[in-house]
Amino acid sequence: GAGVSQTPSNKVTEKGKYVELRCDPISGHTALYWYRQSLGQGPEFLIYFQGTGAADDSGLPNDRFFAVRPEGSVSTLKIQRTERGDSAVYLCASSLTNGRQETQYFGPGTRLLVL
Amino acid sequence: AQTVTQSQPEMSVQEAETVTLSCTYDTSESDYYLFWYKQPPSRQMILVIRQEAYKQQNATENRFSVNFQKAAKSFSLKISDSQLGDAAMYFCALGNTGNQFYFGTGTSLTVIP
Repeated sequence: GAGVSQTPSNKVTEKGKYVELRCDPISGHTALYWYRQSLGQGPEFLIYFQGTGAADDSGLPNDRFFAVRPEGSVSTLKIQRTERGDSAVYLCASSLTNGRQETQYFGPGTRLLVL
Repeated sequence: AQTVTQSQPEMSVQEAETVTLSCTYDTSESDYYLFWYKQPPSRQMILVIRQEAYKQQNATENRFSVNFQKAAKSFSLKISDSQLGDAAMYFCALGNTGNQFYFGTGTSLTVIP
């Protein structure tokens, strides 16, 4: 596609439920990133994929959060046993390759609300 | 530790005037990159401008330019001839070893007609 796409745009769930958030990166981009943006804050890093493997998952807050990228393209962020504190906008970004010099292109995000 | 600080939560500018948004950062690395992103209400983060730390020349992109002061670890964004469409949240970001970006808390820019 022309840009990074994310689905759903908005997700409302109840505390304790499981959610999946999907990211479709720019075609040909090998690196993919997930960030979380809380209200009034800048995005905070969660996890980074180079190809199919998670190269850095140091930003995942706990083991309720997990992400996959099985074919090196689409990625899914999975949150188990959601808590109200998980409410935020989840942003996905992709870049052509990995590296500090690479511009990251962002999707429109998924706004998650946990009631 | 890598940190990015934006000390201006809100700024306003008259249409057609110039405004400068501030950003300071801290990193122990010598090779890094700096970015300004714009985030309108649609939530889509849009790249405005980028600067390579090894370049002394300040980056420019049409009405957008930066004042990069490496020794002071300062990276401000100047918007000239402000337009209504420039109204948005602006985030400063640092990219260095580890591939993740570090973002500031953002500056909300209002453009007054």
